Amino acid sequence: DTEVTQTPKHLVMGMTNKKSLKCEQHMGHRAMYWYKQKAKKPPELMFVYSYEKLSINESVPSRFSPECPNSSLLNLHLHALQPEDSALYLCASSQDSGTEAFFGQGTRLTVV
Amino acid sequence: EDQVTQSPEALRLQEGESSSLNCSYTVSGLRGLFWYRQDPGKGPEFLFTLYSAGEEKEKERLKATLTKKESFLHITAPKPEDSATYLCAVQAGGGYNKLIFGAGTRLAVHP
Repeated sequence: DTEVTQTPKHLVMGMTNKKSLKCEQHMGHRAMYWYKQKAKKPPELMFVYSYEKLSINESVPSRFSPECPNSSLLNLHLHALQPEDSALYLCASSQDSGTEAFFGQGTRLTVV
Repeated sequence: EDQVTQSPEALRLQEGESSSLNCSYTVSGLRGLFWYRQDPGKGPEFLFTLYSAGEEKEKERLKATLTKKESFLHITAPKPEDSATYLCAVQAGGGYNKLIFGAGTRLAVHP
């Protein structure tokens, strides 16, 4: 099973709202990722967790706050977003560095 | 600076018309090169991993190859259901779990 599950599938939020995106994998993978993808563009890396510790933060604004409660779960907390933050947010996981990453189906986020 | 360039940007084929997609890369210490397929509004679907020059992988109508500077995704006798965006990504050395994606090739296969 190579499934990464993301919830919700769609999210509409106002600029003053606080919401969270959730990601879960049960493949025993030790690296988990958040990517942001705009229309007709490739995914852009936001955060990497390795062995439940944040190892990469690609200079993402503080209105995005990642959390890794355990080795199977990854959250992305959202607060005071801007309309330009509207995008497809993808979670991925991999066994370790240098191995293939498996992606979830994404959360389509719209900020109004 | 690590860089991945895919060509062509878009490709239109007739059903059964074989072709190849290109992914050229400049990276310090390649740890792996990955091919993904992405359908509109969905997450990328993993296809292949290549680690060293000369390596080849096959799956149904797709075959991926790797040299020291580029990778090719060959599509043999494509069908309309092969229509998608094909993404190439590389992981560089340095112990970081960071995938660098190319911009992708949008493939349309017409009956």
